[in-house]
Amino acid sequence: GQQVQQSPASLVLQEGENAELQCNFSTSLNSMQWFYQRPGGSLVSLFYNPSGTKHSGRLTSTTVIKERRSSLHISSSQTTDSGTYLCALGGTNAYKVIFGKGTHLHVLP
Amino acid sequence: NAGVIQTPRHKVTGKGQEATLWCEPISGHSAVFWYRQTIVQGLEFLTYFRNQAPIDDSGMPKERFSAQMPNQSHSTLKIQSTQPQDSAVYLCASSFISAETLYFGSGTRLTVL
Repeated sequence: GQQVQQSPASLVLQEGENAELQCNFSTSLNSMQWFYQRPGGSLVSLFYNPSGTKHSGRLTSTTVIKERRSSLHISSSQTTDSGTYLCALGGTNAYKVIFGKGTHLHVLP
Repeated sequence: NAGVIQTPRHKVTGKGQEATLWCEPISGHSAVFWYRQTIVQGLEFLTYFRNQAPIDDSGMPKERFSAQMPNQSHSTLKIQSTQPQDSAVYLCASSFISAETLYFGSGTRLTVL
C-alpha cells in the first residue's frame, strides 16, 4: 500500500480561514519535509521537520513520530497560498524520499 | 546562489528518439536526485547519487533510462527510444546531506509525440 497518504486531497477556503493538512505514513521515519508547488512551478521547501513543531510565519508544521503523522497548519489563508502542498518521507533508506500525492489548496478572495 | 539548474525547460521528441536532460546541482551539495512527476502517479523517485557515485537507481525503468554524474557540477538523465508514456516533468534535486532539505530545480517538461 501507499506509504505516504495526504488528506484532504483538495481543499477550498475563503481568504482568512485556517487550514490543517495531514500526512500519515506507514513506514519508519528518518526525515519529513513539506513542500509547496504552484501550478506549473517547481517545489519549494517549507519545512524540514522530522519531529516536533516548527513555525514559519503563518505556517506551522508538527510531526509526531509515534503516531506516524505530520501536519501543516496554515493560519489566515491568503489567495497566494493556493497551490499544492506535498509531504515527503525519508524512510529506512533515508535518502529515498517518498512523496505523498499532495493536497490541492484553493483560497478564494 | 543560482539554485539547481535544469536544462532544457521544455523538450519535445518524436516516439523512438533519444532525450538527454541536464542538471546542475547547487555547488557544495553532495547528494543529487532525479524524480519524475505526472498527474496520475505524482512524484516518483528515479535515482540518487552521493558524491557522484550512483547509490540507488531502483526507480529507473531499466531498459531505456540511464543517469550519470561525470563530475560534481552536473548530472544527466538519458532516455533512449522515448515513448509517449515517458511524457512527464523530470525534476532534479540536490542537498548537502542525503535526506536533509531537498532543493529542486524548475524541471524539464518532456513531451513525446
